[in-house]
Amino acid sequence: SQTIHQWPATLVQPVGSPLSLECTVEGTSNPNLYWYRQAAGRGLQLLFYSVGIGQISSEVPQNLSASRPQDRQFILSSKKLLLSDSGFYLCAWSVQGLYNSPLHFGNGTRLTVT
Amino acid sequence: KQEVTQIPAALSVPEGENLVLNCSFTDSAIYNLQWFRQDPGKGLTSLLLIQSSQREQTSGRLNASLDKSSGRSTLYIAASQPGDSATYLCAVKGREVDSWGKFQFGAGTQVVVTP
Repeated sequence: SQTIHQWPATLVQPVGSPLSLECTVEGTSNPNLYWYRQAAGRGLQLLFYSVGIGQISSEVPQNLSASRPQDRQFILSSKKLLLSDSGFYLCAWSVQGLYNSPLHFGNGTRLTVT
Repeated sequence: KQEVTQIPAALSVPEGENLVLNCSFTDSAIYNLQWFRQDPGKGLTSLLLIQSSQREQTSGRLNASLDKSSGRSTLYIAASQPGDSATYLCAVKGREVDSWGKFQFGAGTQVVVTP
């Protein structure tokens, strides 16, 4: 069966520090991968999605970036965190090429920028 | 641009009552609609996915309906239990050329089932 791992679960970082969140998927090949952010009391905002290694699309211009160095690995990064980067970050995957593939989420990372 | 709305934002019911959760979307050109459950501080758990050609989907006490022409979906949870307390979100996957593979989410309905 397929599983998705996301770490760390919680993170407290000072303003201006770098960020690296990692997500890996097991049990499937060439998945679509997504990074979402959920702010308190608000819906999910799509940040990045990827349909293959090295193929990243950005939905929202900001100081975050994403990379996909391996087929089932998706990394969210920042060189310098802002207070507004605080939130709940969720990684997700779906089956490539299957229009009706469900979206599957990891357990999320709670990021607090101080 | 697709907009997804969930009303009410919060709902409280006594145990045993049926839950009715609503989701509306503005563009009927969708591939599917998916319902999720989110417990506090956790990720989203997929509950049901309804394809655009389907009218409803059932899993245990859960039943989701889809009326694509009117842009509405309803999630019914029969005989609610305190363990059903969570936030429920819906998401639609649009057919627009530039939205392939992307989902648009509602803000969710927070449900409390009181014993």
